[in-house]
Amino acid sequence: EVQLVESGGGLIQPGGSLRLSCAASGFTVSSNYMSWVRQAPGKGLEWVSVIYSSGSTYYADSVKGRFTISRDKSKNTLYLQMNSLRAEDTAVYYCAIEGRFPQFDYWGQGTLVTVSS
Amino acid sequence: NFMLTQPHSVSESPGKTVTISCTGSSGSIASNFVQWYQQRPGSAPATVIYENNQRPSGVPDRFSGSIDSSSNSASLTISGLKTEDEADYYCQSYDSTNRVFGGGTKLTVL
Repeated sequence: EVQLVESGGGLIQPGGSLRLSCAASGFTVSSNYMSWVRQAPGKGLEWVSVIYSSGSTYYADSVKGRFTISRDKSKNTLYLQMNSLRAEDTAVYYCAIEGRFPQFDYWGQGTLVTVSS
Repeated sequence: NFMLTQPHSVSESPGKTVTISCTGSSGSIASNFVQWYQQRPGSAPATVIYENNQRPSGVPDRFSGSIDSSSNSASLTISGLKTEDEADYYCQSYDSTNRVFGGGTKLTVL
């Protein structure tokens, strides 16, 4: 059974850093395209970043240069390193497995990041 | 940048049929597949339609998707509405390496 479990969220001050983790089971992270998607409180879904099975990475303009997506093959875990955090980064962050096209087949339960002083 | 536009909200009565639209900002929406996700309060999104008109196993055939190239839009149609269908619905597609969501539509079944 495919399972994704996010962790690492919390309250952080503006300008701070946080690393989110997404522990996977039932499939191999490094063999799939994996994305992070976020949702600000009361708002819609926003794609954040993707890492391909090849290792190529891509980012939304809103986080480019501040966020880094990565994975650990030995831990079968996806990460999102978030630096220079802003109030507008406050959101629930979901990790998701992509299908054979850019579509989100499975989602984790999400982890809340709150950027506030 | 490619964008997808959805109505903010729709409402309909149980047993009726509702259609939610998703209009592409540029190019042809038919160039890439469109997906639809259902999100209930406090839960992660779940796919109800993928690759324009395909239903994942477990999604009832009351849900259907289509593409209209003439209006550059995709549509999600839910027939035989049930109160459990009340949720937010998001369309999603892609443009090069960017994944794009519509703004979401709140469906009220009353």
